[in-house]
Amino acid sequence: QKEVEQDPGPLSVPEGAIVSLNCTYSNSAFQYFMWYRQYSRKGPELLMYTYSSGNKEDGRFTAQVDKSSKYISLFIRDSQPSDSATYLCAMSEGYSGYSTLTFGKGTMLLVSP
Amino acid sequence: ETGVTQSPTHLIKTRGQQVTLRCSSQSGHNTVSWYQQALGQGPQFIFQYYREEENGRGNFPPRFSGLQFPNYSSELNVNALELDDSALYLCASSIRDSGETQYFGPGTRLLVL
Repeated sequence: QKEVEQDPGPLSVPEGAIVSLNCTYSNSAFQYFMWYRQYSRKGPELLMYTYSSGNKEDGRFTAQVDKSSKYISLFIRDSQPSDSATYLCAMSEGYSGYSTLTFGKGTMLLVSP
Repeated sequence: ETGVTQSPTHLIKTRGQQVTLRCSSQSGHNTVSWYQQALGQGPQFIFQYYREEENGRGNFPPRFSGLQFPNYSSELNVNALELDDSALYLCASSIRDSGETQYFGPGTRLLVL
């Protein structure tokens, strides 16, 4: 079992739809949870950052973390064609001498006009 | 504020050759991490540098080595290139002890023939 599982998609939705992206993980020591957006042939861009369990909202984006279920989600409201990209979840145990991010494989999202 | 930059953007090498990739950290960041992203996969942690010393390493052989310079810029060196080394190499910078937020550069795409 991989440490972080993420459905690779592709996930195709019409413009304006609500999108739900998810990751599950097995390492209970993960404390920090991030979502990155990666356009084709570009580097990942940080979208959302959450510490421990709970919700965080930023504009059209909402991140949820449920540590008891080892499950994280990213919701995108009013999706736009410009949201078409690969979304990577990433997690970290936190500072213990050094920090490293463990990523899912990424979910490709396609938003059609 | 200057973001993370990497050079070159693309590189083609043959099996057995050596390659050096370069990264300039975001202004004010003192820690740099390198990741390898194979096609269709999430980034995999190679190593991290802080104060010019390797501060942690993922599951990569010793032929992957690095340097960090006093201005926090960094190099990734790969010796004896193998076909499987073909990937997008990402540099991420961060501030130690300020949480787990890492900011990525655009990457260097390496093709080994």
